[in-house]
Amino acid sequence: EVQLLESGGGLVQPGGSLRLSCAASGFTFSNYAMNWVRQAPGKGLEWVSGISGSDGSTSYADSVKGRFTISRDNSKNTLSLQMNSLRAEDTAVYYCAKDWSGFFLNWFDTWGQGTLVTVSS
Amino acid sequence: EILLTQSPGTLSLSPGERATLSCRASQSVSSSFLAWYQQKPGQALRLLIYGASTRATGIPDRFSGSGSGTDFTLTISRLEPEDFAVYHCQQYGSSPRTFGQGTKVEVK
Repeated sequence: EVQLLESGGGLVQPGGSLRLSCAASGFTFSNYAMNWVRQAPGKGLEWVSGISGSDGSTSYADSVKGRFTISRDNSKNTLSLQMNSLRAEDTAVYYCAKDWSGFFLNWFDTWGQGTLVTVSS
Repeated sequence: EILLTQSPGTLSLSPGERATLSCRASQSVSSSFLAWYQQKPGQALRLLIYGASTRATGIPDRFSGSGSGTDFTLTISRLEPEDFAVYHCQQYGSSPRTFGQGTKVEVK
């Protein structure tokens, strides 16, 4: 069974940092692009960042570019998101989502249950 | 960036009724690259439809998707108790991939 399990969320002060992780199982992790998608309280979904499965190329939403860094460890089947210079507007549930293929611009066929990040003083 | 607008915001229906959810794009979605997802509290989001009309693996045939260009529809032919949830549309034809704000289907 394909599974994604996020961890690392919590309460952080504005300007602080946090690192999210997503443990993947049930599929050949290195073959697929992976993404982070977030949902602020009471709001819709927002794609945050993605990383390809083939060459590790990355892409970011303008709202997080320069502050967040996505990475993957194919030997450990793990996806990560390093979040720096956090702002109140980054408060959201962050979901790990698997792309249908190794490249971007596909649908997400599997999602994790999410981890909550709260940015507040 | 393509803006997706879902309507209505909330749909109040009874089990057995038909649900029709709309997703309108601010510009044409190339090659009907549109997906629908179901979200329930405490559960992972579930892919329902991709390519505007192709059901994902294991999705019951009471769920159907249609549309092209800028107007897309998700139809649930007869609502089952487990179908009451929030539904999101997403376009993946252009970067960045964007979502609608969601439609909540609630019990009337």
